[in-house]
Amino acid sequence: KAGVTQTPRYLIKTRGQQVTLSCSPISGHRSVSWYQQTPGQGLQFLFEYFSETQRNKGNFPGRFSGRQFSNSRSEMNVSTLELGDSALYLCASSWTSGGTGELFFGEGSRLTVL
Amino acid sequence: QKEVEQNSGPLSVPEGAIASLNCTYSDRGSQSFFWYRQYSGKSPELIMSIYSNGDKEDGRFTAQLNKASQYVSLLIRDSQPSDSATYLCAVIGDTGGFKTIFGAGTRLFVKA
Repeated sequence: KAGVTQTPRYLIKTRGQQVTLSCSPISGHRSVSWYQQTPGQGLQFLFEYFSETQRNKGNFPGRFSGRQFSNSRSEMNVSTLELGDSALYLCASSWTSGGTGELFFGEGSRLTVL
Repeated sequence: QKEVEQNSGPLSVPEGAIASLNCTYSDRGSQSFFWYRQYSGKSPELIMSIYSNGDKEDGRFTAQLNKASQYVSLLIRDSQPSDSATYLCAVIGDTGGFKTIFGAGTRLFVKA
């Protein structure tokens, strides 16, 4: 059974650019959550999508957005990149909404903003 | 106050000892609690879940929950060098909608 797949794994951008990250959940999982992980802050919740609807959102500025497609694949977008956006972005899928069960994480997309 | 708090460590224990990891949470309405393990350069993976007060054992791991004290712990018996990792406490609260909130993690080193 394939796991959660995130692309790209690594990327380097400059300030002011935008970036789109992709996440394909485990087959059958309808919930996709996104987290930002940095050494100082740990795992910070960005948002969760379930059946193409955003169910919950963390305390991030509007530059961070996401969407989910009918096949449960999800993308997140960060516009007008700042140096502080450099982080590991983790996607996690789950059977149910609200993170009510186990989260299965992808390997992450490591973003470096120069 | 952070929603989920953990001692960042590092916690260093000798091989064969018991490692004790602790976590407190602020949302009294929280109902679901998890421990994830994250090896360096890898993504988190679930090792334990607990939903009711008391202890839950799974092999060398025991999760303990005390909702009155808003406290969750993880005990690792007979610690092995392969247990060296960061352990993340995760709580599902309902403040502002159900979502899984993670603590910053505790780094554990098991010395051979």
